[in-house]
Amino acid sequence: KAGVTQTPRYLIKTRGQQVTLSCSPISGHRSVSWYQQTPGQGLQFLFEYFSETQRNKGNFPGRFSGRQFSNSRSEMNVSTLELGDSALYLCASKLTLEVSGANVLTFGAGSRLTVL
Amino acid sequence: AQKVTQAQTEISVVEKEDVTLDCVYETRDTTYYLFWYKQPPSGELVFLIRRNSFDEQNEISGRYSWNFQKSTSSFNFTITASQVVDSAVYFCALTSNDYKLSFGAGTTVTVRA
Repeated sequence: KAGVTQTPRYLIKTRGQQVTLSCSPISGHRSVSWYQQTPGQGLQFLFEYFSETQRNKGNFPGRFSGRQFSNSRSEMNVSTLELGDSALYLCASKLTLEVSGANVLTFGAGSRLTVL
Repeated sequence: AQKVTQAQTEISVVEKEDVTLDCVYETRDTTYYLFWYKQPPSGELVFLIRRNSFDEQNEISGRYSWNFQKSTSSFNFTITASQVVDSAVYFCALTSNDYKLSFGAGTTVTVRA
């Protein structure tokens, strides 16, 4: 069973550019979440998508956006990149069969973004 | 607001030593779920265990064991007879809803041969 796949694994951008990251969830998983990991702030929730709808959003500026397609694949976009956006961006998927809160997130290996 | 505190930033041990990782959490919810994840150098977070707030039974899985105590809001994790392959960053996490995990800052474990 394939895991969560994130592309690209590494990328370098310059300030002001925009970037799009892709995530393919485990087959059958309809919920996809995104997290940002930095040395200073740790792991922070960005947003969650379910059935092509954004259900929840973390405390990030509007430059951070995302979407989910009908096959549950998800993309996140960061516009007008800043140095502080350098981070490991982790995608996770889950089934939503269990009671609220119990669902286990399965994470991908992440996309490491460096902004110069 | 929910909060997870992992007081230990780094732990270094020699192979075969036991190592215990502390996790203290704060939540006002009566129903919640606690998790431990491992992050090896490859980057992905690997799920280790989930525990709900109504189940205080301790658990052992091979060399791993977990001690959940609601009275002290703690969910500690012990690796017995550590091995070099256990070297990683370990995260404790908490949720009481279906969409967001609140993570601790992580504890970096280094096991030296």
